[in-house]
Amino acid sequence: EVQLVESGGGLVEPGRSLRLSCAGSGFTFDDYAMHWVRQAPGKGLEWVSGIIWNSGTIAYADSVEGRFTISRDNARNSLYLQMDNLRTEDTALYYCAKVGGSGSYYEPLNHWGQGTLVTVSS
Amino acid sequence: SSELTQDPAVSVALGQTVRITCQGDSLRGYYANWYQQKPGQAPVLVIFGKNDRPSGIPDRFSGSNSGNTASLTITGAQAEDEADYYCNSRDSYNHRLVFGGGTKLTVL
Repeated sequence: EVQLVESGGGLVEPGRSLRLSCAGSGFTFDDYAMHWVRQAPGKGLEWVSGIIWNSGTIAYADSVEGRFTISRDNARNSLYLQMDNLRTEDTALYYCAKVGGSGSYYEPLNHWGQGTLVTVSS
Repeated sequence: SSELTQDPAVSVALGQTVRITCQGDSLRGYYANWYQQKPGQAPVLVIFGKNDRPSGIPDRFSGSNSGNTASLTITGAQAEDEADYYCNSRDSYNHRLVFGGGTKLTVL
């Protein structure tokens, strides 16, 4: 069974940093692209960042480019999101999601974690 | 960057058919995927590609595409289909993904 478990969320002051992790199991982690998607309270889904299986393709939403860094450690079956210079508008539930087809970056997101909550507030 | 537009809310009578639409320039070249999200739960993929369903998704869910518009159709809506529905696709110009704003479906 595919499982994605996010961790690392919490309450942080504006301007500070936080690192999110996502542990994958039940599948061959290094075969699949992974993405971060967030959802502000009461709002819709917003794609944040994605990374292909070998880290050769990485992309960010305009809203986080230059502040967030996505990475992965295939040996540890883990995905990360380093979030620097956090803003109040980054407050959201952060999901990691796995694509459905091996090798491709653009496959649909067929498995999602339960999310980790990030609250940016003074 | 590309945008996907959805109606904020749609309602359907129990057992009737409802169509949820998603519009955007990127849909002229790429298929939309559709996700269902119920309160307090993570999104679930219900339709992807031309009109494919992951295993376990009822066949009352179907998808279609025409020009810059993708549609999710629920034929014979059930009470358990009440949820938020999001379309997503890829941006035409870079390696980004994009989500529509979501449609809240109410089953009356």
